[in-house]
Amino acid sequence: QSVLTQPPSVSGAPGQRVTISCTGSSSNIGAGYDVHWYQHLPGTAPKLLIHGDTNRPSGVPDRFSGSKSGTSASLTITGLQAEDEADFYCQSYDTSLSAYVFGTGTKVTVL
Amino acid sequence: EVQLVESGGGLVQPGGSLRLSCAASGFTFNNYRMSWVRQAPGKGPEWVASIKQDGSEKYYVDSVKGRFTISRDNAKNSLYLQMNSLRAEDTAVYYCARGLYGSSGYWYFWGQGALVTVSS
Repeated sequence: QSVLTQPPSVSGAPGQRVTISCTGSSSNIGAGYDVHWYQHLPGTAPKLLIHGDTNRPSGVPDRFSGSKSGTSASLTITGLQAEDEADFYCQSYDTSLSAYVFGTGTKVTVL
Repeated sequence: EVQLVESGGGLVQPGGSLRLSCAASGFTFNNYRMSWVRQAPGKGPEWVASIKQDGSEKYYVDSVKGRFTISRDNAKNSLYLQMNSLRAEDTAVYYCARGLYGSSGYWYFWGQGALVTVSS
């Protein structure tokens, strides 16, 4: 049972904007720990999309953006593309568990 | 180019042991904290363990404490995970991973993964 909760699925048509939430608590996101986001395709290693709440590594398209407020964070995909269909996970640190933790995961479907 | 190459995965019986290795290249290995992250079939990623640059501090998820040991050999640019008392729930692809910066709390570079199957 993850301490970071995400919606199981979100969907959108090509070109639309979708947002994935990541809800934590006062022992992780609310404590000020950074939130990071990954995209995962079957059979491959997770790919880092966002680090430090809002920062995109080199090579990640700018249609991916991150934000954080209080005990929650969000990943927004603007201008959804067919190739964005994948599972997405948030990740942070939990001080109560003394562990890095991943969210429950969200499957993005492009209609 | 940063490369992380895992080896040592395989099929092991419950209660058995396995040692994973990760050969690193393309960067100054002893400048980076290193980690193992696993992903069970059909599940999300799970952080397993991390080790500081000089090996002086090691961190583990509760479910593997006392059973798994992370270590590194900076002279050989290698990371290891000794896994003892393996359980069915340890079945997963195990990734060696590194952050963007020295002590990053996230992972940018990943190996191809080593499959560990615990089954009788």
